Amino acid sequence: DQQVKQNSPSLSVQEGRISILNCDYTNSMFDYFLWYKKYPAEGPTFLISISSIKDKNEDGRFTVFLNKSAKHLSLHIVPSQPGDSAVYFCAAKGSNYKLTFGKGTLLTVNP
Amino acid sequence: NAGVTQTPKFRILKIGQSMTLQCTQDMNHNYMYWYRQDPGMGLKLIYYSVGAGITDKGEVPNGYNVSRSTTEDFPLRLELAAPSQTSVYFCASSYGPGETQYFGPGTRLLVL
Repeated sequence: DQQVKQNSPSLSVQEGRISILNCDYTNSMFDYFLWYKKYPAEGPTFLISISSIKDKNEDGRFTVFLNKSAKHLSLHIVPSQPGDSAVYFCAAKGSNYKLTFGKGTLLTVNP
Repeated sequence: NAGVTQTPKFRILKIGQSMTLQCTQDMNHNYMYWYRQDPGMGLKLIYYSVGAGITDKGEVPNGYNVSRSTTEDFPLRLELAAPSQTSVYFCASSYGPGETQYFGPGTRLLVL
């Protein structure tokens, strides 16, 4: 039973355009959501997060939107850069503080 | 600042062999975690620790053991390696239970 779903295994965008990565969840007890970025042969690194009491959090080129009623969040990267090419994991945290990860989306930004 | 370090980077094991994956963090974090990532899958929690001497099972603990004798170290032990344990293993740490987790570079394990 996959509680955090990233239904797009891959996404390809042109440099300078917007990248939108999507994530859906099923557990209504999740109260905190995070995005991690992972380059090959490296561990995941924290990118941005959002609490369930907010609907938007912005950090530079990265914005995360949360739609609680739809149990959906998205990560927007504007403008996209070739260095953003990586696997992006969505993760959710519930009351037990453990993280549940999605399968990841491979983003490729073409020059 | 080293952060979270893991050794070895890569290892091949024969079925039935045992090994210990090492994890060390220098951030004085209380919480430490072990995850595995199978191809095309997300990270799954194996074990975690909330402080020295305290460990607990995660989502997929079978076939693994852990110990936490110091704040810095959180080794993961495989006693009888099986092909199903072929995976990439990530160690992570955080200051508190709801804090950002910082990951090591991973250990790639192949069991043949």
